[in-house]
Amino acid sequence: QVQLVQSGSDLKKPGASVKLSCKASGYTFTSYAMSWVRQAPGQGLEWMGWINTNTGNPTFAQGFTGRFVFSLDTSVSTAYLQISSLKAEDTAVYYCARAYYSGSGSYFMFDYWGQGTLVTVSS
Amino acid sequence: DIQMTQSPSSLSASVGDRVTITCRASQSISIYLNWYQQKPGKAPNLLIYAASSLQSGVPSRFSGSGSGTDFTLTISSLQPEDFASYYCQQSNTTPFTFGPGTKVDIK
Repeated sequence: QVQLVQSGSDLKKPGASVKLSCKASGYTFTSYAMSWVRQAPGQGLEWMGWINTNTGNPTFAQGFTGRFVFSLDTSVSTAYLQISSLKAEDTAVYYCARAYYSGSGSYFMFDYWGQGTLVTVSS
Repeated sequence: DIQMTQSPSSLSASVGDRVTITCRASQSISIYLNWYQQKPGKAPNLLIYAASSLQSGVPSRFSGSGSGTDFTLTISSLQPEDFASYYCQQSNTTPFTFGPGTKVDIK
């Protein structure tokens, strides 16, 4: 069965960096892009962007450029999100989600999600 | 970027009620609209894709409709496990923006 298992919660000081992981199993990792979604406390969902797991090419939404890096280790079917120069407003739960593409219908959907990683940024 | 709005932002309903949530896109997105359910402390769960297709394993009391800019999610008979937040998301063009959500709670 498809599973996305994310790394555990993290507490960081402002200005530090954090690297989150999302390990996939139950499917061919390079057959689906991986998206990242942020949810600040009590707020809605924000699509941060995604990474093509074949080419490693990332796409970032506005507001997630510069300090955010998506990367892969295809040998262990794992996607990573690194955030540098952390700010208090980066405090959020970060989800990875598999992006399923239906070629016949030309649509995307996020059909499997990780359990989320809470990142808390506080001095 | 395509902006998504939802109404209402919250609603109170009783078990057995028919519930309808509306989602509107700032420009036409054809049928490229997904619906997710999220319970507190849990990851979102895909309910409906391509505006009206029911994801495998999702109860048939959930249905979606619409195209272009206006979409609806309907729960035909609300069950206790349906009290949650619901989000629409457009998948027409990146960034794949979400609506602000609709919280469904118990009357």
